[in-house]
Amino acid sequence: AQKITQTQPGMFVQEKEAVTLDCTYDTSDQSYGLFWYKQPSSGEMIFLIYQGSYDEQNATEGRYSLNFQKARKSANLVISASQLGDSAMYFCAMREGKQAGNMLTFGGGTRLMVKP
Amino acid sequence: EAQVTQNPRYLITVTGKKLTVTCSQNMNHEYMSWYRQDPGLGLRQIYYSMNVEVTDKGDVPEGYKVSRKEKRNFPLILESPSPNQTSLYFCASTHFSGRRYEQYFGPGTRLTVT
Repeated sequence: AQKITQTQPGMFVQEKEAVTLDCTYDTSDQSYGLFWYKQPSSGEMIFLIYQGSYDEQNATEGRYSLNFQKARKSANLVISASQLGDSAMYFCAMREGKQAGNMLTFGGGTRLMVKP
Repeated sequence: EAQVTQNPRYLITVTGKKLTVTCSQNMNHEYMSWYRQDPGLGLRQIYYSMNVEVTDKGDVPEGYKVSRKEKRNFPLILESPSPNQTSLYFCASTHFSGRRYEQYFGPGTRLTVT
C-alpha cells in the first residue's frame, strides 16, 4: 500500500481564496511526523510545515496550516489567501518512528495553479 | 544566511566514471540527507545521516555511497554511474528541536549519465 497518497494531481484556485491540498498516509507506528514541501517551477525544494503525531494542535506557519485528522490518517495542507507565487508543486511526506532524522517517504505531489 | 550548497549544479558524464556530488551546510545541523527526483516517481530518499559517522540507507541506496566525516559535509558518491542514475538530486539539512523542524534544501544537481 502507498504510504503517502495525494489524490489531486492538479488544482486551480482563485487568487486571495483559500485552498486545501489533500494528503492521506498509512502507518502502523504510533510516533511519526508529517511534512509539506513546495517546489516552484524554478525547481528548488522548500520546507513549509511539520506536524508530529503527538501534537494535539494543528501546525501553522503564516498562511499555511496543516489540518491533522489522526483517526482519518489525513494531513491536509490549507493555504489561506492564495497568492500568484503559491503556484507550484506541493509534496506531502511522512517520517515514521521517533528519530527526527529517519527516512522520509513522499507522495506524488499536487500541482497548484493560482488564477489572477 | 542559512545555506545548503551543492556542487556541481549540472553534470553530464559517462557510464562507469566515478563522481562525487558535494553537499555542505552552514547551520551546524545534525541531520543531512540525499534525495533523487524522477518524473512519475517523485522524490525518494537515497541515504540519510543523523550525525557525524552515522549514516543509514533510505529507499533507493543501490549504486550510491555517502560519508559524514564532518558535520557540515555530506558528499554523495557514485562509484560506477549508470544511465538509470540520471536524475535530479537534492541534499537537505535538518534540525529538530522539541516540536519544531527546520529544514533547508540545496539547489539541486541535475545529473545525466550517458
